[in-house]
Parts: sequence; structure tokens; C-alpha cells
Amino acid sequence: DGGITQSPKYLFRKEGQNVTLSCEQNLNHDAMYWYRQDPGQGLRLIYYSQIVNDFQKGDIAEGYSVSREKKESFPLTVTSAQKNPTAFYLCASRESRGITDTQYFGPGTRLTVL
Amino acid sequence: GQNIDQPTEMTATEGAIVQINCTYQTSGFNGLFWYQQHAGEAPTFLSYNVLDGLEEKGRFSSFLSRSKGYSYLLLKELQMKDSASYLCAAQGQKDDKIIFGKGTRLHILP
Repeated sequence: DGGITQSPKYLFRKEGQNVTLSCEQNLNHDAMYWYRQDPGQGLRLIYYSQIVNDFQKGDIAEGYSVSREKKESFPLTVTSAQKNPTAFYLCASRESRGITDTQYFGPGTRLTVL
Repeated sequence: GQNIDQPTEMTATEGAIVQINCTYQTSGFNGLFWYQQHAGEAPTFLSYNVLDGLEEKGRFSSFLSRSKGYSYLLLKELQMKDSASYLCAAQGQKDDKIIFGKGTRLHILP
């Protein structure tokens, strides 16, 4: 079954702890993305990666870190430096073929920091 | 700077047609995405426009005008299941960065 997986669906952490959210895709896509969504808001870009071993900051990268050691995997670490980490985190991968382009999302992880 | 604007909420009647507008300002532009997102779920891809004009996919159509920085999503023969948020997103020209608007919450009345 192809697609993007994120785990876990719900995650609870204590304030001050780092937490890593997983994102795996078997679609053979080069580009991968992490977004954050707060209630009633749109998606805000945290980090994105166009190719293995390379990634760029999005609009709200502070307090987050990523790695892209394998094409299939793009984990996101929410560090204790992130002031308001409670949110819905969405990972996506993208297939670009010139005039056709599709971005697929995983099911998301709801992180609650207590 | 980069900015994507779309209405916050819209209401339409079952069986009718609704048009959701999106204007964008980006540093370079390559293409525009539309997504549907039901409450509590991840967004699902609807369309991608890179050329000017209208693209039709069943009940949904998407339009792009690059010169005006404008797009719309047209939903025909509305069904109750179309009640959702619709997200507009623009892709920059130089890299793979994709930026989203805040979304339009569409309410369908019977």
C-alpha cells in the first residue's frame, strides 16, 4: 500500500521535553515538507527538503529541527525551544512532472504538550 | 513578501454552484494548488494550475490568471459532503517552497 505515514496519530509530552515526529513515504518522491496547523488556521511551513541530505527553513523553523538521511524519511524534532508546540503537524511529499504537480499529505500527528 | 488571501467563510446551498477566490503575491511563481480539508483530517489534493485558464475535473474546476495573481475554485452541484475547508497554496519559482493561505470554510445548507 503506497503513501505517506505519520506516527503516532496522537502524542502527549511534558513541557521541556524534545519529541520527534516520524514521516515515511514509499512514493519515491524527492521533495518532502513539514507544516503546522493551529485550530481554525491554514498550514504554516516549518521545513522542506528537495533532495536527500538537504533541507531549507520554512516560515516558522525556530524551535524545530529536521534531517533527511534517506529519501523515504523526513523526521521532525520539536525541541523545548519551541514556545507553543501544541498543534496538528502534517508531513507531505511532492511529485512534480512539469505542468502536473501533486502534493500528498500524511494523516498528521496531533501533539499536545502538557 | 509573500501573501495569499482567500475568504474566511462562505455559505452555499445544496445543489448550487460556489466560487472560492484566491489572490496571491509571491517572490516568483510557478503554480497554484487547491486542497480540500475536512475537520480533523489531513488536506487532500484537488488541483494544480500552472497555465492560465480553466481546468475541469468533474464537479470541481480551477482557474488561474498569472498576470492578475488570481485563482478560483468552482464547485458545482454542491453536496453536503462538500462542507469542508478549501486551501489555496502557491509554489515559488526558484525552489520547491509551497505556501498556504488560511483556508476558506465552506458551509453547505440543505
